[in-house]
Amino acid sequence: KNQVEQSPQSLIILEGKNCTLQCNYTVSPFSNLRWYKQDTGRGPVSLTIMTFSENTKSNGRYTATLDADTKQSSLHITASQLSDSASYICVVSAEGSNYKLTFGKGTLLTVNP
Amino acid sequence: KAGVTQTPRYLIKTRGQQVTLSCSPISGHRSVSWYQQTPGQGLQFLFEYFSETQRNKGNFPGRFSGRQFSNSRSEMNVSTLELGDSALYLCASSASYEQYFGPGTRLTVT
Repeated sequence: KNQVEQSPQSLIILEGKNCTLQCNYTVSPFSNLRWYKQDTGRGPVSLTIMTFSENTKSNGRYTATLDADTKQSSLHITASQLSDSASYICVVSAEGSNYKLTFGKGTLLTVNP
Repeated sequence: KAGVTQTPRYLIKTRGQQVTLSCSPISGHRSVSWYQQTPGQGLQFLFEYFSETQRNKGNFPGRFSGRQFSNSRSEMNVSTLELGDSALYLCASSASYEQYFGPGTRLTVT
């Protein structure tokens, strides 16, 4: 069964600090992995999309890594800001089913001043 | 370009009623997918429409149905509402593999 597990479930950090969120998946055959940011009451917004051949991708202060061998991904946030407070969702797509995605339950990040 | 729009944004219904939610995709996008999001289950795929045809379907009961019109706008219908149907319903449109989500419709069933 295709699954995506994220850790931690929630995280509280101080403004300006860095943090790393984890994602482990069992989706096979793998097509791509996406990280989304979802603010409270809003739809998810894509941060990065990585295919099998990519192991690092950055979007401003967000850097995602992918290890397709161990089926793990991480999202690193540098110099956190209050606006980074949100849920971060890891989503994996299986080959041949790009629109039938497997979602993680998300990590709720709170950045405090 | 205008983003994905969903109407209504909030809805309160009673058990046993039915509800119809609407999604207007980004102009030029022909694929529309629907998701249910609850605190316990996270985001779960309902179905995907492409050029007025249902192309993929998740594991939801037949009470959940949808359709897509020739202008790519999509509607989702839930009949005989249950308390457990209370959730945020999101639609996403895409032209390739990138999906763009709407703000969602918050459905509360009492």
